[in-house]
Amino acid sequence: GAGVSQSPSNKVTEKGKDVELRCDPISGHTALYWYRQSLGQGLEFLIYFQGNSAPDKSGLPSDRFSAERTGGSVSTLTIQRTQQEDSAVYLCASSAGIRETQYFGPGTRLLVL
Amino acid sequence: AQSVTQPDIHITVSEGASLELRCNYSYGATPYLFWYVQSPGQGLQLLLKYFSGDTLVQGIKGFEAEFKRSQSSFNLRKPSVHWSDAAEYFCAVEGFGNEKLTFGTGTRLTIIP
Repeated sequence: GAGVSQSPSNKVTEKGKDVELRCDPISGHTALYWYRQSLGQGLEFLIYFQGNSAPDKSGLPSDRFSAERTGGSVSTLTIQRTQQEDSAVYLCASSAGIRETQYFGPGTRLLVL
Repeated sequence: AQSVTQPDIHITVSEGASLELRCNYSYGATPYLFWYVQSPGQGLQLLLKYFSGDTLVQGIKGFEAEFKRSQSSFNLRKPSVHWSDAAEYFCAVEGFGNEKLTFGTGTRLTIIP
């Protein structure tokens, strides 16, 4: 596709449930990022994938959060046992490589009740 | 660690007036600098970026920004704003060897007739 796509666009879940958020990067982009945007914390980095290298997980807030990137393309961010403080917009971005411009998707708005 | 400060949470400007949004960064060397815009319910769109070279960079939608090393600043300007410029603006920094973006808290721009 022409840009980064994310699904679902909105997700409402109950506290304690697991959720999966999907990101389709721009075709050919080797780097993929996840960020979170919340009222209290602003925009914060979660995790970064570059090619076949081990991901940079330094921004993940707890071990309930994990992400994988299959075949160097699509990525899934999984949040286990969701908490109300996980409510936020989860943004995915991709870039053509290291130190290239990051292009963002429209985000997934997650609401944990 | 790198950080970004956007001192103005909210700015109101009359349509047709000039605009300057402030951004200060903290980083040990010259970072990569970005301005992104986010319209309500939308993802982040890149306005412009500074990597090296000419310190005055031109972006989309008539925006420009000037990198001032002595002031650790990267302020965004537009000579004449349009109602469609109403949005939230984020300054971001990317350090060398650290490919994640660190964002400021954002400045919300309101345009009045």
